[in-house]
Amino acid sequence: DAGVIQSPRHEVTEMGQEVTLRCKPISGHDYLFWYRQTMMRGLELLIYFNNNVPIDDSGMPEDRFSAKMPNASFSTLKIQPSEPRDSAVYFCASSLFRGARNTIYFGEGSWLTVV
Amino acid sequence: AQKITQTQPGMFVQEKEAVTLDCTYDTSDPSYGLFWYKQPSSGEMIFLIYQGSYDQQNATEGRYSLNFQKARKSANLVISASQLGDSAMYFCAMREGQRSGGGADGLTFGKGTHLIIQP
Repeated sequence: DAGVIQSPRHEVTEMGQEVTLRCKPISGHDYLFWYRQTMMRGLELLIYFNNNVPIDDSGMPEDRFSAKMPNASFSTLKIQPSEPRDSAVYFCASSLFRGARNTIYFGEGSWLTVV
Repeated sequence: AQKITQTQPGMFVQEKEAVTLDCTYDTSDPSYGLFWYKQPSSGEMIFLIYQGSYDQQNATEGRYSLNFQKARKSANLVISASQLGDSAMYFCAMREGQRSGGGADGLTFGKGTHLIIQP
């Protein structure tokens, strides 16, 4: 089975540019999460969706960040305009939530560098 | 207060020895799940093992076992017979709200333990 698929794997962009990160969750999973990992702050939950509906976006740093999930097989995380402090690894993850069947599986991450 | 505490920033262990990575958690939710993930230098997050708060027995997955002490709010990872390939960052995480039919939160992570296996 295919895991969580993220693109791009690596992106280098200039400050002020728009960045769009993409995610395809595992088929059949009803939860989708966006995490950010930095050395200073560790792994932070940015936002998560249940059945394509955003449930909690309290982790989104500021209005420059937005996330959408137009259907069950696709989500985007957009940063506009990007800043150097947004440089991080962004992980998408998905899960079921059925009693014990609730392991969260991660994609390989999108490594973002804003210069 | 931190929900997940990993007190060992780094550990050096001899190959073939058993390793215990510490994790304590804080929650008032009676229903929760505890997870361990491995992150090698390549960066991916690899799921290792899961323990539910109502599980009666400690979870095991191959060389991995979880020493779950609910009263102490402790969920230590034990790796038996360590191998060089076990060198990585290890994260303990918790997911609250595991009620059947109810909602669930995302994972809250600890800061991780950097494990280095020496030959």
